[in-house]
Amino acid sequence: GEDVEQSLFLSVREGDSSVINCTYTDSSSTYLYWYKQEPGAGLQLLTYIFSNMDMKQDQRLTVLLNKKDKHLSLRIADTQTGDSAIYFCAEKGHNNAGNMLTFGGGTRLMVKP
Amino acid sequence: DAGVTQSPTHLIKTRGQQVTLRCSPKSGHDTVSWYQQALGQGPQFIFQYYEEEERQRGNFPDRFSGHQFPNYSSELNVNALLLGDSALYLCASSASSGAFFGQGTRLTVV
Repeated sequence: GEDVEQSLFLSVREGDSSVINCTYTDSSSTYLYWYKQEPGAGLQLLTYIFSNMDMKQDQRLTVLLNKKDKHLSLRIADTQTGDSAIYFCAEKGHNNAGNMLTFGGGTRLMVKP
Repeated sequence: DAGVTQSPTHLIKTRGQQVTLRCSPKSGHDTVSWYQQALGQGPQFIFQYYEEEERQRGNFPDRFSGHQFPNYSSELNVNALLLGDSALYLCASSASSGAFFGQGTRLTVV
């Protein structure tokens, strides 16, 4: 089946930039997403990118997509302590009839004051 | 807009019992998906309902079943609960721009 991989952990200092990386195997992915999960909560959709785009910027968030390498990244500028959470990337493949998402295992971001 | 709402928020059941979880989708969304998130892992797709029918299913046994009502709300039923069914169960309603998740139901099987 399709697979999405993320590194487990990232630690940064407040004010620095954070870059969270993700790789996926489904070459037919149509949309790729980034979600944020805070302790005890559900998933918050942060941003998404369509597979024919290379980059998308939304305020402090920048998404880069390298479709050739099947690599997705999320850059958070001026990282704040409130950004501490688990970040999941997810992909939606072209070959699934519905809207099933395949998630990575999540990257825990810790922001030090 | 109330967003995606799930009930209950927490639940404790005994092994072998049955459980029903409920979800109301975001206003205007007609597709509901259910995911299981075990501790420390990413969500795993269980199934999706559209027009009151199961449209797509992940790799989960038949003990997991569901239903969608005419108002698009949905239920997830799990029979013969196992200890390994303990997880956060997330409901999502879909648009082309992404799936919007509820806060989840934390199920503990003892």
